[in-house]
Amino acid sequence: NAGVMQNPRHLVRRRGQEARLRCSPMKGHSHVYWYRQLPEEGLKFMVYLQKENIIDESGMPKERFSAEFPKEGPSILRIQQVVRGDSAAYFCASSLSFEQYFGPGTRLTVT
Amino acid sequence: AQSVAQPEDQVNVAEGNPLTVKCTYSVSGNPYLFWYVQYPNRGLQFLLKYITGDNLVKGSYGFEAEFNKSQTSFHLKKPSALVSDSALYFCAVYYGNNRLAFGKGNQVVVIP
Repeated sequence: NAGVMQNPRHLVRRRGQEARLRCSPMKGHSHVYWYRQLPEEGLKFMVYLQKENIIDESGMPKERFSAEFPKEGPSILRIQQVVRGDSAAYFCASSLSFEQYFGPGTRLTVT
Repeated sequence: AQSVAQPEDQVNVAEGNPLTVKCTYSVSGNPYLFWYVQYPNRGLQFLLKYITGDNLVKGSYGFEAEFNKSQTSFHLKKPSALVSDSALYFCAVYYGNNRLAFGKGNQVVVIP
């Protein structure tokens, strides 16, 4: 049983470009979570999704960030018009209930 | 509101010595508690969890954690640390609707 998959593992974008981060949950898991990790700041919750629904987006910045988990295909975290402050590691996790399993992360660098 | 505190930024320990990483929590109702470990450039890996039952929980790689309700703590322990245990450790608490709140993490450095 494959674990949580994320791609790309590394992503470089220039300021103003769009970043798309993909997450495929573990087989059978219907809950997906996105987190952002910055040095010295720990792991910050961004959004929690189930298939075709956003359950909790209280950690998402109000502008430029969006997330989806369509009926078919991976979950997507989209960052429009990236700025240098968006540079971070973004982790996806999936679960059946409350025990979360994490992917390897996408390291976004904005130049 | 739910929260997790990991008071120390970094824990240094000599190889072979006991390792303790501290965690205190605040949550409504009965706590479900977790420890995860993160190695450099990797995602978080599940170590152990407390849901109910024995206050001493055993997990992966020789780690264990002790739940203390009166002190609202869930400290992670290992009797004899290895250099390979050097990593970032996160404590987390479940707060309903399939969500976890994480502490800021503790860097553990095991000195050979």
